[in-house]
Amino acid sequence: GENVEQHPSTLSVQEGDSAVIKCTYSDSASNYFPWYKQELGKGPQLIIDIRSNVGEKKDQRIAVTLNKTAKHFSLHITETQPEDSAVYFCAASNGNFGNEKLTFGTGTRLTIIP
Amino acid sequence: NAGVTQTPKFQVLKTGQSMTLQCAQDMNHNSMYWYRQDPGMGLRLIYYSASEGTTDKGEVPNGYNVSRLNKREFSLRLESAAPSQTSVYFCASSGQAQKYFGPGTRLTVT
Repeated sequence: GENVEQHPSTLSVQEGDSAVIKCTYSDSASNYFPWYKQELGKGPQLIIDIRSNVGEKKDQRIAVTLNKTAKHFSLHITETQPEDSAVYFCAASNGNFGNEKLTFGTGTRLTIIP
Repeated sequence: NAGVTQTPKFQVLKTGQSMTLQCAQDMNHNSMYWYRQDPGMGLRLIYYSASEGTTDKGEVPNGYNVSRLNKREFSLRLESAAPSQTSVYFCASSGQAQKYFGPGTRLTVT
């Protein structure tokens, strides 16, 4: 089955700086790579996702890049703000859009230092 | 729209007791899921239901049963709780797009 590794497990950055979280996956058939943000006491919330037919996707301060050859994908957050502090999870799957059986990474606790 | 709702929010059980975690969604989604979240292990899929009337095992199904009562509701049952089932449980649903997660149930088995 799929195995997703996520690094680092914790990350602290100064407000306004950029943060990068990296994930690798093992199953070359995986074709969907979402990123979730989980705030304290809440369920994960999708912040951005990418499919294997594109290499990069941006949404305002958030971007995701995918390297299918190396089987890794990364989350980039620019101009970080205190409200970006949360736990971030990457995930991967091979399935129909919306019905994916996601395999999650172990999470990165991001702290933005004011 | 309430989205995905879960009850209860917190529960403490003794070893061997049983309980059912309830989940409902009001987004008319076909697919529903149960995950557990443990420290340092991310979220792991317990069971899922691709449509009303169908259920399938996920990565960690042992010790659990599920019921897809109708399109809205998907319950998770622990027949004989064990300390290893102490965890935070999340229900999720999806249609043709993203997954939506509920707020979670924190379960402690003593």
